[in-house]
Amino acid sequence: GNSVTQMEGPVTLSEEAFLTINCTYTATGYPSLFWYVQYPGEGLQLLLKATKADDKGSNKGFEATYRKETTSFHLEKGSVQVSDSAVYFCALRKGQAGTALIFGKGTTLSVSS
Amino acid sequence: DGGITQSPKYLFRKEGQNVTLSCEQNLNHDAMYWYRQDPGQGLRLIYYSQIVNDFQKGDIAEGYSVSREKKESFPLTVTSAQKNPTAFYLCASSRDSNTGELFFGEGSRLTVL
Repeated sequence: GNSVTQMEGPVTLSEEAFLTINCTYTATGYPSLFWYVQYPGEGLQLLLKATKADDKGSNKGFEATYRKETTSFHLEKGSVQVSDSAVYFCALRKGQAGTALIFGKGTTLSVSS
Repeated sequence: DGGITQSPKYLFRKEGQNVTLSCEQNLNHDAMYWYRQDPGQGLRLIYYSQIVNDFQKGDIAEGYSVSREKKESFPLTVTSAQKNPTAFYLCASSRDSNTGELFFGEGSRLTVL
């Protein structure tokens, strides 16, 4: 079936460090891929997305590239800030109409100054 | 301001009682969703609705019920048949069911005493 696997956290970094959170997926066809972020005490917010192979999604300094050959959508940021501390979720949506998102288990990022 | 409003934010229930969580949106979105979030398990889909008067079961629908009588409202009832109801519940909406861009509420935390 369709699924998303994320690296387990927590990920602990110092401010200005480089961030990578790995995400791989299993799906038939050509899913759309997403990263959502959940700040403490809040609901999720869409961070970025990519709808086809080799697309790069970007927002707020974060980037992720849709790699069909490796079925991956790793999240990266060149220099993290304390305010980036949150839980990050990778998700996919199959190409069929009417299908809801499938989420990974989430990766907690903690950035210290 | 447009958005999704969930209430109550915190709810306590005795075993054997049904409880209804409210979700209202003023974004004029067709599709609405309920997810359950547990530590270490990410988000799991309970029910979703693509349009008024229609809804489909998600991966963990047992012990839950929903209705979609109005476009802006999608209440979730946690019944006494749900064996482990203590969790954080998130409601979301999207323009339609063909997009993965979900807008989330701030969540409702249910604790069964």
